[in-house]
Amino acid sequence: DQQVKQNSPSLSVQEGRISILNCDYTNSMFDYFLWYKKYPAEGPTFLISISSIKDKNEDGRFTVFLNKSAKHLSLHIVPSQPGDSAVYFCAASARIQGAQKLVFGQGTRLTINP
Amino acid sequence: NAGVMQNPRHLVRRRGQEARLRCSPMKGHSHVYWYRQLPEEGLKFMVYLQKENIIDESGMPKERFSAEFPKEGPSILRIQQVVRGDSAAYFCASSFSGATNTEAFFGQGTRLTVV
Repeated sequence: DQQVKQNSPSLSVQEGRISILNCDYTNSMFDYFLWYKKYPAEGPTFLISISSIKDKNEDGRFTVFLNKSAKHLSLHIVPSQPGDSAVYFCAASARIQGAQKLVFGQGTRLTINP
Repeated sequence: NAGVMQNPRHLVRRRGQEARLRCSPMKGHSHVYWYRQLPEEGLKFMVYLQKENIIDESGMPKERFSAEFPKEGPSILRIQQVVRGDSAAYFCASSFSGATNTEAFFGQGTRLTVV
């Protein structure tokens, strides 16, 4: 049962344009959401996060939007740069049965074309 | 060096051998998580440990897999009698606390290949 879903396995965007990566979740107990970026042969690196009490968090070129009623979040990257080409994982966090659970989506491979 | 350290980076084992994967968390972090990534798939939670305690092992196979995080030393993920299906990238993450609004920081992973 996939509690966090990234329905687009890949996305291709022109350099300078906006990249929008989407993520849906099913468990209403999730109260904190994170985006990680992963290059080949490296570990995921933390990018940006948002608490469930907010609907937007911005950090430079990266903005995360949260729509709790729709159980949907998105990551916007603008303007997109070639170095943004990577796999992006959405993750959701909740305290379930006394333990913190960090559940990941399947990832979206973003390619920025020059 | 303040990052999460995993070793070895690459590990090759023959079927039936044991694999030991090590993870040293970031300084000051006492919470460790292990994830597995199969080819072309996302990260799957395996186990969550806090110093000397297993908090949640619901994602870890019941047989052949075990994990520990001793008072001194790194966390160890141990796979006994490896099979080809164990070939994957294993990532360790650490966090300062077990609160849900805490970022987890990942190591570079150990790529296990079973031949």
